[in-house]
Amino acid sequence: SQQGEEDPQALSIQEGENATMNCSYKTSINNLQWYRQNSGRGLVHLILIRSNEREKHSGRLRVTLDTSKKSSSLLITASRAADTASYFCATDWTGGFKTIFGAGTRLFVKA
Amino acid sequence: DVKVTQSSRYLVKRTGEKVFLECVQDMDHENMFWYRQDPGLGLRLIYFSYDVKMKEKGDIPEGYSVSREKKERFSLILESASTNQTSMYLCASSSAGTDNQPQHFGDGTRLSIL
Repeated sequence: SQQGEEDPQALSIQEGENATMNCSYKTSINNLQWYRQNSGRGLVHLILIRSNEREKHSGRLRVTLDTSKKSSSLLITASRAADTASYFCATDWTGGFKTIFGAGTRLFVKA
Repeated sequence: DVKVTQSSRYLVKRTGEKVFLECVQDMDHENMFWYRQDPGLGLRLIYFSYDVKMKEKGDIPEGYSVSREKKERFSLILESASTNQTSMYLCASSSAGTDNQPQHFGDGTRLSIL
């Protein structure tokens, strides 16, 4: 069963707008990661947030984690056409060291 | 930068063939993974390896086997290919650690079984 599930499944915005994607998971985790996948390519790691952290920033990316709600969000500010991609959250769980990926959010940024 | 190289971007094989997918990483990572990616299903773990000659089943190992004779190379084998194994196959590697470390992915092999 999937540990992480993203919402929405697809998102279409104008260049310059902010994009927010959400991820929910089911069990206790050590960390949560976000990845990007451009069409036809492999996944690229964006950011990792540990279970004892609430917010993390990297450039135009802001990730929050709420362990009480078992949810995370990824905010991309001032989006660009080059941000068009699928975004995945990935979680481990304290009972093992496999990483479980969600089905992803497809983001389309219109120029 | 870590580089994970998969031997083929596209591959077409016939039902019943034995298929080998090769993956090489250049950063001396202990962990290596094979996933398949299907629309709407995300990434599903087939096998992973945390050391040379060590392997662990993932969520969907049926119909697959793996080999890790050298640290840098992790091979996925389809013993007798079937049409339901048509998919995108992704290899990844990561360093060892107490928590899950970021994974570095190859560009994938799009495999079609006819």
